[in-house]
Amino acid sequence: DGGITQSPKYLFRKEGQNVTLSCEQNLNHDAMYWYRQDPGQGLRLIYYSQIVNDFQKGDIAEGYSVSREKKESFPLTVTSAQKNPTAFYLCASSIAGTGITHEQYFGPGTRLTVT
Amino acid sequence: GQSLEQPSEVTAVEGAIVQINCTYQTSGFYGLSWYQQHDGGAPTFLSYNALDGLEETGRFSSFLSRSDSYGYLLLQELQMKDSASYFCAVRRTGGSYIPTFGRGTSLIVHP
Repeated sequence: DGGITQSPKYLFRKEGQNVTLSCEQNLNHDAMYWYRQDPGQGLRLIYYSQIVNDFQKGDIAEGYSVSREKKESFPLTVTSAQKNPTAFYLCASSIAGTGITHEQYFGPGTRLTVT
Repeated sequence: GQSLEQPSEVTAVEGAIVQINCTYQTSGFYGLSWYQQHDGGAPTFLSYNALDGLEETGRFSSFLSRSDSYGYLLLQELQMKDSASYFCAVRRTGGSYIPTFGRGTSLIVHP
């Protein structure tokens, strides 16, 4: 079955440590995205990539980094520079380019807790 | 930029009909989408309206009025499993196909 996987589902880290969240898709989608979700805040865009080896900052990129070396993979690193990293992180993918619809397919999310 | 307004919470009883409204401000409009997210889960795409009018998909319908910068999601024959958050989204300007999401409406369905 095609879909998006994120691992781990729950992640705990100490303050000051970098942590990398995994996102893999086998939908053959060109575009991939990372969102952060906090209670009452909706989904806020961190980074996105519309093609391999290229990515762009979203609305809240500070303290995060990404890479897109393979079409199916888009890992997110939460660095120690992120002031408030505890959140629910969602990865998504979509058909990029001139698609009529911008339907996004989401992974199950990773809940990160930093203490 | 874009902004979207939707109610933070709506409550209804099982079997009823509920409407979740969304008003938006955006320079350059390309369509309004709706997503459903159960607590702790992944958002899933429900519908997309690019033109004025009503789109029906089973118990769910979505309406758009571009002149009023307004849309709504209509849920009929409510079931307990419909309790979830519902997000409206518009495509960003600037040539990309990335949505901007509203803050979401929490729908609580009572028996």
